[in-house]
Amino acid sequence: AQTVTQSQPEMSVQEAETVTLSCTYDTSESNYYLFWYKQPPSRQMILVIRQEAYKQQNATENRFSVNFQKAAKSFSLKISDSQLGDTAMYFCAFMKGGAGGTSYGKLTFGQGTILTVHP
Amino acid sequence: GAGVSQSPSNKVTEKGKDVELRCDPISGHTALYWYRQRLGQGLEFLIYFQGNSAPDKSGLPSDRFSAERTGESVSTLTIQRTQQEDSAVYLCASSLREDYYEQYFGPGTRLTVT
Repeated sequence: AQTVTQSQPEMSVQEAETVTLSCTYDTSESNYYLFWYKQPPSRQMILVIRQEAYKQQNATENRFSVNFQKAAKSFSLKISDSQLGDTAMYFCAFMKGGAGGTSYGKLTFGQGTILTVHP
Repeated sequence: GAGVSQSPSNKVTEKGKDVELRCDPISGHTALYWYRQRLGQGLEFLIYFQGNSAPDKSGLPSDRFSAERTGESVSTLTIQRTQQEDSAVYLCASSLREDYYEQYFGPGTRLTVT
């Protein structure tokens, strides 16, 4: 079974600054996906970024980037130029991979980190 | 296009009553997932459907929980004889198919058992 651990229950950052959210995971799988999801107060889960385990290059989506350390089983999210709209709970999640780049869709989530961006 | 929708948005029920929660996936999505989110916690997987079959029900916490899906459309999660520990937000997600990585989530149903 997979486990995902987020050790920072809450974080805060000033607008325009950079913040890093931590995530570690444990798995015996060699093929998998990792995700960061954002959940604002509206409860709507939004996919922020994904990383395929077989890719060495860290994923980047605009102001969001990850630091994927496969050997250490670490997957942190860096948010640059933080904006007030980034205030939300952030979840790290794991999905087992299948053959040929497919996946097995059940997501395993961490406990979440509440991020507050201050003006 | 329309996203995943869930109804009701909020449900308050008395302990011991049965409740039904509904999920309408994105049209054309064959895979559908149910998760539970207790207050301040991460999401726990409950069950998923590929079409109208449920290959993985491993997350259902007890036999009071059941789910069904009609074709590749609506799904209903039923909780019988509700208990206070069932209070949570129940989230539904859909995906193009079970072997596709991206899941699209609905807004959830907040269930409160009094």
